[in-house]
Amino acid sequence: NAGVMQNPRHLVRRRGQEARLRCSPMKGHSHVYWYRQLPEEGLKFMVYLQKENIIDESGMPKERFSAEFPKEGPSILRIQQVVRGDSAAYFCASSPGTGISNQPQHFGDGTRLSIL
Amino acid sequence: RKEVEQDPGPFNVPEGATVAFNCTYSNSASQSFFWYRQDCRKEPKLLMSVYSSGNEDGRFTAQLNRASQYISLLIRDSKLSDSATYLCVVNTNAGKSTFGDGTTLTVKP
Repeated sequence: NAGVMQNPRHLVRRRGQEARLRCSPMKGHSHVYWYRQLPEEGLKFMVYLQKENIIDESGMPKERFSAEFPKEGPSILRIQQVVRGDSAAYFCASSPGTGISNQPQHFGDGTRLSIL
Repeated sequence: RKEVEQDPGPFNVPEGATVAFNCTYSNSASQSFFWYRQDCRKEPKLLMSVYSSGNEDGRFTAQLNRASQYISLLIRDSKLSDSATYLCVVNTNAGKSTFGDGTTLTVKP
């Protein structure tokens, strides 16, 4: 399966714990995007990364949230000291690195994060 | 004002009906446009790209009006399986995609 791979599919954490969400882009894609979807709401952009670079993090909360896309390995979205309001579906998408404005993004299945 | 605006609906139509969704965008530098569908809070899936000359894919027709900064999606002969949320997406030349909040369609027998 050469699609965008996210894991875990479901993640349960208690308040105050850390959550790590992983995303491997489609083969040949070098651009990764993270989105959050709260219950009954639309998809909200969080961060756009290329390998080893954050291109746009205008949608990321200023505290507790961080993202990386290392040279080797998947992109990681990290949420420290989780709170109930972090419960949401987190989607990762990827696109090719060339002609980026004309390329649609392809999404992974998402990680459903539940905070107890 | 949101960068990308859609009528949230819901649109409730009978099978076989024709339904149209509109989407407006505020950034005149937007470069490319897409429609996605999202089922039951699963991942969004690309439905079709939207080209300046308009394009058709089976029962689906997408159009772009750059002067008025809106795009549209027309669905003919609606099927029950068309029930979903339809997301309008606008890309800038910096590679960022902005999603509308979606329009919900329910097709009823």
